[in-house]
Amino acid sequence: QTVVTQEPSLSVSPGGTVTLTCGLSSGSVSTSHYCSWHQQTPGQAPRSLIYRTNIRSSGVPDRFSGSILGNKAALTITGAQADDECDYYCVLQMSSGIWVFGGGTKVTVL
Amino acid sequence: EVRLVESGGGLVQPGGSLRLSCAASGFTFHNYWMNWVRQAPGKGLEWVANMNQDGSDKYYVDSLKGRFTISRDNAKSTLYLQVSSLRVEDTAVYYCARGFDYNLDYWGQGTLVTVSS
Repeated sequence: QTVVTQEPSLSVSPGGTVTLTCGLSSGSVSTSHYCSWHQQTPGQAPRSLIYRTNIRSSGVPDRFSGSILGNKAALTITGAQADDECDYYCVLQMSSGIWVFGGGTKVTVL
Repeated sequence: EVRLVESGGGLVQPGGSLRLSCAASGFTFHNYWMNWVRQAPGKGLEWVANMNQDGSDKYYVDSLKGRFTISRDNAKSTLYLQVSSLRVEDTAVYYCARGFDYNLDYWGQGTLVTVSS
């Protein structure tokens, strides 16, 4: 069974930089997994941030960027702001056609 | 403006069934893949299923195959999820999301399904 891994929680100072990662329990994440990242504030629906590893969705500030770092996909927030404090989920498409979400990362800005 | 509005959730006893709906507007529905994603209370997101534009191709998370069925009515711009043999652990908010370019680019606000006796 494929497991997508994310850090459970990370913290960043206002104005600082934080990198969230998205890995696989077995193997490496590549661009062929079409990693996307979604942001969710409490009680709200998720919102698309990044897709196809590194393309920002419409209206997403350029302080959010996506990449492949080593064997994982990554989401970097540069110049963190208070309203970036929420949950972030990555999702990967598997070769079988199914999608698998990571467990999510709770980002705290303090 | 793209809108996705889910409905059909509610309280159901274990073993029961429900049909969830997702009414789409603001885009040409029959041109897009559509997805269902769920989120148990206090937990993370779980992708459930998706379906291609004409309904000829469907994928499901392995753990739910056989109990959940995705379908769509392009004439009504509506996506459905038939959920049956419900278990307590199926309690969740069920979201529909549009699929485009390997992304879930728009999400609805979700409908809550509570499975309890």
